[in-house]
Amino acid sequence: DTEVTQTPKHLVMGMTNKKSLKCEQHMGHRAMYWYKQKAKKPPELMFVYSYEKLSINESVPSRFSPECPNSSLLNLHLHALQPEDSALYLCASSQDSGGRQHFGDGTRLSIL
Amino acid sequence: AQKVTQAQTEISVVEKEDVTLDCVYETRDTTYYLFWYKQPPSGELVFLIRRNSFDEQNEISGRYSWNFQKSTSSFNFTITASQVVDSAVYFCALSVRLNRDDKIIFGKGTRLHILP
Repeated sequence: DTEVTQTPKHLVMGMTNKKSLKCEQHMGHRAMYWYKQKAKKPPELMFVYSYEKLSINESVPSRFSPECPNSSLLNLHLHALQPEDSALYLCASSQDSGGRQHFGDGTRLSIL
Repeated sequence: AQKVTQAQTEISVVEKEDVTLDCVYETRDTTYYLFWYKQPPSGELVFLIRRNSFDEQNEISGRYSWNFQKSTSSFNFTITASQVVDSAVYFCALSVRLNRDDKIIFGKGTRLHILP
């Protein structure tokens, strides 16, 4: 059982839609992460939140908008996505520096 | 440069054979962490091990073992007596400091097929 919960597991949306991905952890971890993983590629870091503040943005297009409402929740708001944004989106959390990141099962996103 | 190289893109072995997955890393940091993650077809990333740069002891966990050698910047992973359930993509990763937080740099992964 994963300790990081992501919803939805699957999402199909059109290029003009607005949707959100949700990630939740109750381990008291201080850092939360969003990754994007294309097929047959490694995960690529998108954003890092530390103590609910955006710490790292890996030059992600503005059509992806992260939000950390509290220490347990991390959202990724999606708007006007492109077909090339279809991928597996993984959320992770960690407690300490250099520590193990706990990953959720991911959301498989398809853009029509 | 900070990067992780997994030269083996894909490996196939017959069940019960031993298999070693290679990982070579580059970093300018003196303190860093290395990881191995497993990603089965279902997609979740499963943590296998973390090793810090000051601990070169090899580790064994059941059928899994890891060989960390700073002199060659390698962190290799061996599965002994492989099983079909070991079939997955395995990622070696390096944790580096960026601002006050950590960024994990993944290797490209090795896809392992265990044939019955």
